Amino acid sequence: GDSVTQMEGPVTLSEEAFLTINCTYTATGYPSLFWYVQYPGEGLQLLLKATKADDKGSNKGFEATYRKETTSFHLEKGSVQVSDSAVYFCALIFSNAGGTSYGKLTFGQGTILTVHP
Amino acid sequence: ETGVTQSPTHLIKTRGQQVTLRCSSQSGHNTVSWYQQALGQGPQFIFQYYREEENGRGNFPPRFSGLQFPNYSSELNVNALELDDSALYLCASSFGPPVKDEQYFGPGTRLTVT
Repeated sequence: GDSVTQMEGPVTLSEEAFLTINCTYTATGYPSLFWYVQYPGEGLQLLLKATKADDKGSNKGFEATYRKETTSFHLEKGSVQVSDSAVYFCALIFSNAGGTSYGKLTFGQGTILTVHP
Repeated sequence: ETGVTQSPTHLIKTRGQQVTLRCSSQSGHNTVSWYQQALGQGPQFIFQYYREEENGRGNFPPRFSGLQFPNYSSELNVNALELDDSALYLCASSFGPPVKDEQYFGPGTRLTVT
């Protein structure tokens, strides 16, 4: 079945450091890929998405590129801030060649990011 | 535009009891999905409702059931609660199906089973 694997965490960085959180996936067909962020005590917020190979999703300084050849969707940010401290989830929605899907999001286990001043 | 809302925020129940959680979808969305997030884990798909019918189900037993109403709001019902049902329950809405695009999540209901 479909699955998502995220890098082992937690990740601790100093403010303005470069961030990479690795994500790889296993899926048949043509999944859409997402990064969600969860701040303490809150639900999930969509951070960025990519719906086909070589697409780059970006938002709030975060970027991720859909790499079909390596089945990866790594999250990057050039300069993190204390306010970026949260749990980050990589996720996919599978769809077949016709683009149909019932929209089940499959999540990775999450990566805790802590940024110190 | 109104976002996804869930009620109640927190709930404490005893093993064997039944619970109902509620979700109002984002304005313009007609599909609701429910997820269970255990502590320290990623969310797990429970089921999805579209046009008041179940449109897909994850690996959860039948004591997890749901409803969707004509206004697209939804309920998650769990019977015969077990200790392992303690989790954050998340509702997400979207427009579809087919749903290949993003889902928008509510703040969740924290259920504790004692």
